[in-house]
Amino acid sequence: EAQVTQNPRYLITVTGKKLTVTCSQNMNHEYMSWYRQDPGLGLRQIYYSMNVEVTDKGDVPEGYKVSRKEKRNFPLILESPSPNQTSLYFCASSLDTLTNYGYTFGSGTRLTVV
Amino acid sequence: SQQGEEDPQALSIQEGENATMNCSYKTSINNLQWYRQNSGRGLVHLILIRSNEREKHSGRLRVTLDTSKKSSSLLITASRAADTASYFCATDKTGANNLFFGTGTRLTVIP
Repeated sequence: EAQVTQNPRYLITVTGKKLTVTCSQNMNHEYMSWYRQDPGLGLRQIYYSMNVEVTDKGDVPEGYKVSRKEKRNFPLILESPSPNQTSLYFCASSLDTLTNYGYTFGSGTRLTVV
Repeated sequence: SQQGEEDPQALSIQEGENATMNCSYKTSINNLQWYRQNSGRGLVHLILIRSNEREKHSGRLRVTLDTSKKSSSLLITASRAADTASYFCATDKTGANNLFFGTGTRLTVIP
């Protein structure tokens, strides 16, 4: 089944403890992206990647890192999480690097930082 | 740099009625997309309409695009309880590769 898989689904962590949210797609998509969703603010883009080893900042990149060493994987790293990073996170992928195709989204990771 | 804004924020209708949601955006676009999100789950792509198209249909969905007014509408005909979800429009910007999402319209269909 064609899908974007995020793990974990839920995560509670403490301030300052490094964590990684994994994202993997099995559709050979070129483009991958991370979004966070907060009430009243909609979805905001954190980082995106046009291809292997090509990443760039979205609208809210502060406090996050990403890497794209393989085409299928695009992990989101929080080196020192803070409570304001408590949010619902989504990974998405698309066939090409233009917006000619719809995005396929993962099921989401609900992160709580205490 | 939010690009799309949906209206209304919330909509409640009876099963069988039609639901119309609107989206306005700010800059020139290549295309506009609509997504559905069931509570707390991932977004699902519904339909894409290109800037040179004015109307598009997919099953019970009808999307219109008016580039002169920088607006789009999503019509769901003969709504069902299963259509209860949040609906988002997403736009790109000419020359940009990314999608920008609005804050969504929360649709409730009462059985």
